[in-house]
Amino acid sequence: DQQVKQNSPSLSVQEGRISILNCDYTNSMFDYFLWYKKYPAEGPTFLISISSIKDKNEDGRFTVFLNKSAKHLSLHIVPSQPGDSAVYFCAASAYRGSTLGRLYFGRGTQLTVWP
Amino acid sequence: DTGVSQNPRHKITKRGQNVTFRCDPISEHNRLYWYRQTLGQGPEFLTYFQNEAQLEKSRLLSDRFSAERPKGSFSTLEIQRTEQGDSAMYLCASRRDYGYTFGSGTRLTVV
Repeated sequence: DQQVKQNSPSLSVQEGRISILNCDYTNSMFDYFLWYKKYPAEGPTFLISISSIKDKNEDGRFTVFLNKSAKHLSLHIVPSQPGDSAVYFCAASAYRGSTLGRLYFGRGTQLTVWP
Repeated sequence: DTGVSQNPRHKITKRGQNVTFRCDPISEHNRLYWYRQTLGQGPEFLTYFQNEAQLEKSRLLSDRFSAERPKGSFSTLEIQRTEQGDSAMYLCASRRDYGYTFGSGTRLTVV
């Protein structure tokens, strides 16, 4: 059963515009969320994360928004650049005491940024 | 920071053969994870070590799979009697506090 869902397998955006990638989760125990970027033949690279005590986290061009009541998070990339073209994975985890547990991943969204 | 190193990068094997992959984590990271990624899917958890102790195993890890982390340093993942369904990217990640760092993975193709 997929506990983290990325319902859009692909997204195409023009350079300079905003990219919005969406993610939904079903497990209310999740309290830490991460976004990873993956190029072909490479491992996932960490982008940005957010704890459930926040509803927004920014890092440069990347912002993650969390809506706990809707069990939904989104990644905004502004402005989008051709180098952002990659597969983006949403991942979630739950704390066990003070220790963060394993990651549950969505299936990914292929972002293509065209000039 | 030398990153997480995985070897080999690619492995092609015949069905029924045994294969072994190696992961060298970031040196100060005491937690090590193995994930598997198949086409069109996100990475799926296989197993987790804290130091040398294997603390959790997924039901995806059948009895043909075995993982070790002797002395809490590098880890190996062995697959015995490989099947075509084992073809996937095998990813290793290590972690100290909150950040998971992934290696580049080992691409296994079973023919």
